[in-house]
Amino acid sequence: QKEVEQDPGPLSVPEGAIVSLNCTYSNSAFQYFMWYRQYSRKGPELLMYTYSSGNKEDGRFTAQVDKSSKYISLFIRDSQPSDSATYLCAMSWISGSARQLTFGSGTQLTVLP
Amino acid sequence: DSGVTQTPKHLITATGQRVTLRCSPRSGDLSVYWYQQSLDQGLQFLIHYYNGEERAKGNILERFSAQQFPDLHSELNLSSLELGDSALYFCASSVGRLAGSNTQYFGPGTRLTVL
Repeated sequence: QKEVEQDPGPLSVPEGAIVSLNCTYSNSAFQYFMWYRQYSRKGPELLMYTYSSGNKEDGRFTAQVDKSSKYISLFIRDSQPSDSATYLCAMSWISGSARQLTFGSGTQLTVLP
Repeated sequence: DSGVTQTPKHLITATGQRVTLRCSPRSGDLSVYWYQQSLDQGLQFLIHYYNGEERAKGNILERFSAQQFPDLHSELNLSSLELGDSALYFCASSVGRLAGSNTQYFGPGTRLTVL
């Protein structure tokens, strides 16, 4: 079993829809939770990060963390064709003397105009 | 633009050869991370350097090695290349080693094709 599970999709939605992307994890050592967006053949780009359980909002994006259930979500409101990308969840933890990130496998999202 | 630069953008080489990938972190960042991304494996952590010292190793093959220089740029060396080494190689940088979320910022990647 992987430490981070993420539904690979693909997920296809019409423009304007609300998108829900999710990850589950098993390692209680994970402390920070991040969402990256990766356009085709480009480097991952940080969208949001959170620490505590609860919601964090940034424009059309809302990140939600439920540490008790080991479950994180990213919601995209009023989705746009420009949101079409692969979304990667990432979890930060301390390994030895440094922080590391463990990534989910990514969910491919297509927003249809 | 994340501020992390990687060269070259594309690299085509033959099996058995050796290549070097280069990364310059964001100004002020002391940590450099290397990742490999292939179609069926997702983003795999290879190695982490902080201020010139190796801090963590992930799924890095013995044929691969890396170093971080005094000016903080880093190089990833891949030798005895095999077809399966074809992938995107990303470098990421962050400010520190332990503090805060240690958010990592990714470069544009180097696409390696081994023929």
